[in-house]
Amino acid sequence: DVKVTQSSRYLVKRTGEKVFLECVQDMDHENMFWYRQDPGLGLRLIYFSYDVKMKEKGDIPEGYSVSREKKERFSLILESASTNQTSMYLCASSRGRGAKQETQYFGPGTRLLVL
Amino acid sequence: GENVEQHPSTLSVQEGDSAVIKCTYSDSASNYFPWYKQELGKRPQLIIDIRSNVGEKKDQRIAVTLNKTAKHFSLHITETQPEDSAVYFCAARLYNFNKFYFGSGTKLNVKP
Repeated sequence: DVKVTQSSRYLVKRTGEKVFLECVQDMDHENMFWYRQDPGLGLRLIYFSYDVKMKEKGDIPEGYSVSREKKERFSLILESASTNQTSMYLCASSRGRGAKQETQYFGPGTRLLVL
Repeated sequence: GENVEQHPSTLSVQEGDSAVIKCTYSDSASNYFPWYKQELGKRPQLIIDIRSNVGEKKDQRIAVTLNKTAKHFSLHITETQPEDSAVYFCAARLYNFNKFYFGSGTKLNVKP
């Protein structure tokens, strides 16, 4: 059974702080994703990675960066947190490209509040 | 890029009735369309998916239909039960890319 874990379920940070959100998957998946989930907006892709040290911008990368030093771990970094980054952050992973490898498995989410 | 629109945003049905959620997409190059269910406080989980080379797929009480010409796809839940209450998301993936584009979600409430 695929397991995707996130370092925190809830986080409270202050404006201007540097924030690290960590995601780990245990199934040797190639692809990893970071989304933010806001009411009425669905899931919006921030960044994704298809290999170690590789990253690509999603639809809303501004104010975020990512790091993938190991295959199983994908980190989302808020360089200087702002109140408009208050949201639910979801990590996901998938095995790779091709039929039957596209299913995304999600982590439990991190609810971030920036004061 | 792709744009996925999902309707309705909320749907309330009586237990035993059917529920239909519709999504449209903009890029004809999209070829994979999954549906996710997210129960309150839980992570989204895949419930059914369809590829562009088929028009319909069924799994017990859940079915998905795809109309490539009109660029829309729908989720059908028959004989709804209270445990079907959740937020449902549709998504589309462009051919040969790893990016998924999600709809805004439908909150389904099944009244006992």
